[in-house]
Amino acid sequence: GENVEQHPSTLSVQEGDSAVIKCTYSDSASNYFPWYKQELGKRPQLIIDIRSNVGEKKDQRIAVTLNKTAKHFSLHITETQPEDSAVYFCAASTRLSNDYKLSFGAGTTVTVRA
Amino acid sequence: NAGVMQNPRHLVRRRGQEARLRCSPMKGHSHVYWYRQLPEEGLKFMVYLQKENIIDESGMPKERFSAEFPKEGPSILRIQQVVRGDSAAYFCASSQNGGAQETQYFGPGTRLLVL
Repeated sequence: GENVEQHPSTLSVQEGDSAVIKCTYSDSASNYFPWYKQELGKRPQLIIDIRSNVGEKKDQRIAVTLNKTAKHFSLHITETQPEDSAVYFCAASTRLSNDYKLSFGAGTTVTVRA
Repeated sequence: NAGVMQNPRHLVRRRGQEARLRCSPMKGHSHVYWYRQLPEEGLKFMVYLQKENIIDESGMPKERFSAEFPKEGPSILRIQQVVRGDSAAYFCASSQNGGAQETQYFGPGTRLLVL
């Protein structure tokens, strides 16, 4: 089955600096890679996703890059703000016998220092 | 458009009791996924259901756990004879269709505490 590795497990950045989280996956058939943000005690919320037909996608301060050859994808947050502090999860689609499911990384706890 | 709904939000059970967790998917969604999250850990896939069908239950313990998604009504995750190790947050997510590139939307979770 799919194995999604996420690094680092914790990340502390100064407000205004950039944060980068990296994930690798093992299933070469994976073609959908969402990122979720989970604040303390809240539900995971989709912040950005990328499909395998593109290599990069941006949404304001958030960008995701995908390297299908190397089987890794990354989340980039620029100009970090205190409200960016949360746990971030990457995920990759995993093929089942007749459908697909998502496999999640273990999460990265991001702390933005004011 | 209401999002994914889960109830109860918090559930306290004593060891040996049963826990029933409910999930109503977003309107128009017919695919439901259940995940378990232990404190300060990631989301572990448990089971994937469509209406009246279990598609994949590879992440769900074979003993004491069961799930259903009937033709009418919410999806139910049932835990029989709960033990302390079942204490966790249980999230469900829904998608409109199945398939490799479907976005999953999460509910607020049910936090189960077993005393």
